[in-house]
Amino acid sequence: QVQLVESGGGVVQPGGSLRLSCAASGFSVSSSGMHWVRQAPGKGLEWVAFIRYDGSNNYYADSVKGRFTISRDTSTNTLYLQMNSLRGEDTAVYYCTRGGLPGYFDYWGQGTLVTVSS
Amino acid sequence: DIQMTQSPSTLSASVGDRVTITCRASQSISSWLAWYQQKPGKAPNLLIYKASTLESGVPSRFSGSGSGTEFTLTISSLQPDDFATYYCQQYNSYFLTFGGGTKVEIK
Repeated sequence: QVQLVESGGGVVQPGGSLRLSCAASGFSVSSSGMHWVRQAPGKGLEWVAFIRYDGSNNYYADSVKGRFTISRDTSTNTLYLQMNSLRGEDTAVYYCTRGGLPGYFDYWGQGTLVTVSS
Repeated sequence: DIQMTQSPSTLSASVGDRVTITCRASQSISSWLAWYQQKPGKAPNLLIYKASTLESGVPSRFSGSGSGTEFTLTISSLQPDDFATYYCQQYNSYFLTFGGGTKVEIK
């Protein structure tokens, strides 16, 4: 069955960097579009980034463009989110999800918490 | 970006009640709308896509309707497992956006 397992969250200082990982199983990331969606504590959901099934195009929310990079490793079936120049407003649970663009999200990971604080 | 507005933000209801949540888009999104349920500490779960298509495994008491700019999620008879927060999401454009959420509480 489809499973998504995120890792890599933690506490980081403002201006710092962090890389999130999402291990996929039950399907191939080379045949599915993948997204990152985040949720600040007590707040709603915000789409962050997308990578096409063939890795040819990436899309980002304006709030993270130029600071975050989505990528994948098809040999390990893993999705990544490299986050640089982190700010307090980036504090959130980050979810790895599967879906197209435009599209909806049919499978979600359990999420990993990123806290940006000094 | 397309703005999505949900109402109400909180809803108090009893088991067995019929519940309706509304989602409005700032511009027409045809039927490119999904609904999710989220319980505390858990990831969202897809309920409905393309405005009215029920995801496999979702109970038939959930239904969706609407097109253009106005959409509704209806729970025909609220069950104890349904107390949660519900989000709509548009996928008419490449910049995907969610509504602010509707929390369904026990009355």
